[in-house]
Amino acid sequence: DAEITQSPRHKITETGRQVTLACHQTWNHNNMFWYRQDLGHGLRLIHYSYGVQDTNKGEVSDGYSVSRSNTEDLPLTLESAASSQTSVYFCASSETHGEYNEQFFGPGTRLTVL
Amino acid sequence: KQEVTQIPAALSVPEGENLVLNCSFTDSAIYNLQWFRQDPGKGLTSLLLIQSSQREQTSGRLNASLDKSSGRSTLYIAASQPGDSATYLCAVKSGSEKLVFGKGTKLTVNP
Repeated sequence: DAEITQSPRHKITETGRQVTLACHQTWNHNNMFWYRQDLGHGLRLIHYSYGVQDTNKGEVSDGYSVSRSNTEDLPLTLESAASSQTSVYFCASSETHGEYNEQFFGPGTRLTVL
Repeated sequence: KQEVTQIPAALSVPEGENLVLNCSFTDSAIYNLQWFRQDPGKGLTSLLLIQSSQREQTSGRLNASLDKSSGRSTLYIAASQPGDSATYLCAVKSGSEKLVFGKGTKLTVNP
């Protein structure tokens, strides 16, 4: 069955370190998204991609970057981790365009920045 | 800018009760609306998707309706069970492929 996987599931790091969260989907979807979920804020979009070599900033992109070298993967990098980036991160994917294109979510990565 | 609101933030009901969760959005120009379920510490599971041209969708005990003109959607859960306890999120897709989420309604069904 097609799925989205995220790794690691839990990560503890220190302020200032570079961290990369992996997202891999086997749906063959063109669209991929990264969200963060925080109490009181709900889910907020960090970055998204509509296809290989395409990346776009979401509403909370500062301090994060992504690259899309193939259809299956969209890694999220925190260049210099900050305590404010402690959060749960979700990756999602969807088909291209149309009214009927559900977004499917990965299981999440819980990141703690000390 | 699209904004999505879910009221109430939390709801507690006895087992067996029928219940309605509400979702409202500010811009009626949407492509679709999606309802998700999230269990504690878990990811989001898609429950129902309603296209902009549809009025409702059903899956088992769940029925979601959409009224674009008033900017509202409801998720009806029939004969609630303790296993339905979770946070329910609605999200709308507007002009781009991005979803805008509400903050969710935390549902507790008491045995």
